[in-house]
Amino acid sequence: GAVVSQHPSWVICKSGTSVKIECRSLDFQATTMFWYRQFPKQSLMLMATSNEGSKATYEQGVEKDKFLINHASLTLSTLTVTSAHPEDSSFYICSATVGYNEQFFGPGTRLTVL
Amino acid sequence: GEDVEQSLFLSVREGDSSVINCTYTDSSSTYLYWYKQEPGAGLQLLTYIFSNMDMKQDQRLTVLLNKKDKHLSLRIADTQTGDSAIYFCAEDGNNRLAFGKGNQVVVIP
Repeated sequence: GAVVSQHPSWVICKSGTSVKIECRSLDFQATTMFWYRQFPKQSLMLMATSNEGSKATYEQGVEKDKFLINHASLTLSTLTVTSAHPEDSSFYICSATVGYNEQFFGPGTRLTVL
Repeated sequence: GEDVEQSLFLSVREGDSSVINCTYTDSSSTYLYWYKQEPGAGLQLLTYIFSNMDMKQDQRLTVLLNKKDKHLSLRIADTQTGDSAIYFCAEDGNNRLAFGKGNQVVVIP
């Protein structure tokens, strides 16, 4: 089946630093990748939709200068949380799809900002 | 926009059936989905139903869709301890998924 990986699986950083999270489709080429954020005991909130080679489309209320998304290839998208603050602590999950078919989810990255 | 609602918590004895409910608002959704999330993990697609269907059965899983009431349910037969997880329903609309808040299912041995 289609496998999506994320790296790192968890990260702890100091306030004010930037953190990069990678999302890779391991055995398929993903035309579209999605980034979600999940707070404890809450649902997934879509942050942005990323198509290879073009700028990401951000959801309302998501700061594009704070959450930088790069989708440089058909198998890799990165989310960089710039100048992270404690309120950015969350579980970040990516998904990948070919065309608009089933979304395959990564295992998630737990970010803790001290 | 899409708005999906779910109840929060369900405990069930091993071997019993469990039913999780979900309501949605976007009548233009083509598919409706059920995802399972185990602790600290991503989402696993369990099953989905096409919007013009009323029911879909997949082994221990039965999905019922009441399109008139915009109500979706998931029944898990013979619930097992490995079914303990959070279950999310989701609808697609505008080429994106909108998730419910999730329903935590705890299976008691």
